[in-house]
Amino acid sequence: NAGVTQTPKFRVLKTGQSMTLLCAQDMNHEYMYWYRQDPGMGLRLIHYSVGEGTTAKGEVPDGYNVSRLKKQNFLLGLESAAPSQTSVYFCASTTGAYSNQPQHFGDGTRLSIL
Amino acid sequence: DAKTTQPPSMDCAEGRAANLPCNHSTISGNEYVYWYRQIHSQGPQYIIHGLKNNETNEMASLIITEDRKSSTLILPHATLRDTAVYYCIAEISSGSARQLTFGSGTQLTVLP
Repeated sequence: NAGVTQTPKFRVLKTGQSMTLLCAQDMNHEYMYWYRQDPGMGLRLIHYSVGEGTTAKGEVPDGYNVSRLKKQNFLLGLESAAPSQTSVYFCASTTGAYSNQPQHFGDGTRLSIL
Repeated sequence: DAKTTQPPSMDCAEGRAANLPCNHSTISGNEYVYWYRQIHSQGPQYIIHGLKNNETNEMASLIITEDRKSSTLILPHATLRDTAVYYCIAEISSGSARQLTFGSGTQLTVLP
C-alpha cells in the first residue's frame, strides 16, 4: 500500500551543490509529475512524463532536469542548486490519457538551499 | 485548462455542512472539475471529480451547475480534521498530459 514514495524527506544544500530527488510509485501508472510549492502558494508543475523514457517541461522547468528510465521511478535533478529553489517538492502519478483518474501525491521533499 | 476562482478562506462550525464554491466560467465541454485538499503542507489528497452530473462519494458531494460554470464541494458533517486548503481544478479529460493547474485554493477552518 505504498503508493507514491519520495526520498529524501528533508535536505539542506549549499548553493552550487547538486542532488537528485527520487520518486517511486507502485501502482503501474503511466504518467508522473514533479511539482514545487512555495509558501502560501499552490503547486506549480516543473516537469512531467507520460511514459517510460519520455519527459516534458511544465510551467517552471528552469534549473531542473528529470529522467524516467524505469516506469516506476521519476528522478528530479538539481545540477547547481540556488536559494530560489528552496521549496517543497511533490511527486504525483496517475494512469494515462482518457482515464480521468486522479493524481496520487507523495508526502513531499522539503529542500533548503543556503 | 480553464481558470478557476475560489474564495481565499472560509470558516465552518464542527458538525455542520461545509459548502465550498468554485467558479469556472471558461470551462470547456471536455474538462473535468477535480477537487483536492492539502492538510498541513502534506501532499494533496484527491477528494472527488465530475464532468456534468453531481457526484457523491464517502468523503464529499460535488454539485455542478447545469451550465457548468460553477460548482460546490460539500462536506456534509465537517470535523476539525477537515481543516485544510481546498483546491478546485479543471482538467482536460482526453489526449493531454493531464496537467493540473493549482490556484491558491480556499483555506477552510473548521471551528469547534
